[in-house]
Parts: sequence; C-alpha cells; structure tokens
Amino acid sequence: DTGVSQDPRHKITKRGQNVTFRCDPISEHNRLYWYRQTLGQGPEFLTYFQNEAQLEKSRLLSDRFSAERPKGSFSTLEIQRTEQGDSAMYLCASSPGTSEKGNFGPGTRLTVT
Amino acid sequence: AQRVTQPEKLLSVFKGAPVELKCNYSYSGSPELFWYVQYSRQRLQLLLRHISRESIKGFTADLNKGETSFHLKKPFAQEEDSAMYYCALGAGNRDDKIIFGKGTRLHILP
Repeated sequence: DTGVSQDPRHKITKRGQNVTFRCDPISEHNRLYWYRQTLGQGPEFLTYFQNEAQLEKSRLLSDRFSAERPKGSFSTLEIQRTEQGDSAMYLCASSPGTSEKGNFGPGTRLTVT
Repeated sequence: AQRVTQPEKLLSVFKGAPVELKCNYSYSGSPELFWYVQYSRQRLQLLLRHISRESIKGFTADLNKGETSFHLKKPFAQEEDSAMYYCALGAGNRDDKIIFGKGTRLHILP
C-alpha cells in the first residue's frame, strides 16, 4: 500500500497520560496535514507542514499538542496530559503541492478514559 | 468567517431516485470547493473538485457564487452510493488548509 499510513490505528489511554501518533505520507509529498474529527463533525484542521517547516497551527492546537516533521518525511503528533475532550479520530493527509488535496490516511482513533 | 454548511445530517433516497446533497459556504475570497466521500470502514477520499468540472461515479457539483452553494447531484442513486459525504472549502493559497462541513450521511434505500 503506497498511500498515507498512520500508527497506531487505535489508542486507549488514561487521562493525564501522554500519547504520540505517527503519520507516514506518500513518498515525496512535501505537504503534510493533521486534522481532528470528533463524533458528528467533519475533520477540523490542526496544523500543516511543508517539508520540515510547520507553516500553520490552528487555535485548536493547545499548548499540550505538538507536531514535528523531522527531515520532512514522517510526522508525529504528541498530546501531553490527555483530557477526555481529546478523544477523537486524528487524521493525516499529504499532498505534493497545493493542487492535490485527496490523500488521507486511515486515522488514529484516540479514546481517553 | 470561513464556513461550510451542510444542512442535512441524514438523507434517505430510494435506489434509482435523484440525489441532491446541499452545501453552502461562506468565504470572502475566491473559493475552491470539494466534495469528499467516506464509505463504511474506508478512509476519506476526494470525490470531486469544482475547478475540474468532472463527473465522478455519476456525481456532479456546480459552484453557484451568487447563492454561495456547491450542491452535489446524481440523477439516479445506486446502493453503493451509501456513504458519508463532506463538502469542503479550500481556504486559500497560503493557508492551504481545508475547512469541512459536518457531513451528510446518504442512505440509499432498496
């Protein structure tokens, strides 16, 4: 499968714990996006990278959230001190430029108990 | 403010009947509109975009700037069309992010 991959697919954690998700984009896609989707809502933009540079962060991304993309390849999204409100599906997408916006990963479903 | 509104959470249509999924947007610039689809247990995928003006799986959507709408249409529904459909707005060259509506679940009745 040469599409966007995400790991893990599911994560259950206790409130207050830290979690980290990984996204592997399609090879040579220089843009990588993170979205969050809660029940009954469409995906909401969190942040995006062009190569290793993080170009925009949504106000949804509180100080407990941090994203990185070292070397412009895979990306990680870390949530510190998780709260129940962080329970959601976290989606990653990649694109080779501004014109293509269709390559989403399967998502990581986070459940905070 | 940039916003996408899909007024229907659920739309049930009989097989063979026409389908119209409504979408309205709010955006001050020149919008780039998309429809995404998510079939059961599959990832989100792009269905069509207004600038390509193509028909995918029999679906079409026309951008109406006067009414700020981008409704998705198909003349004859098929059972395999049952899925979650999201209308989305490209927020501009610099931002490059996509703003999604809340989605409409399309249920095709046999």
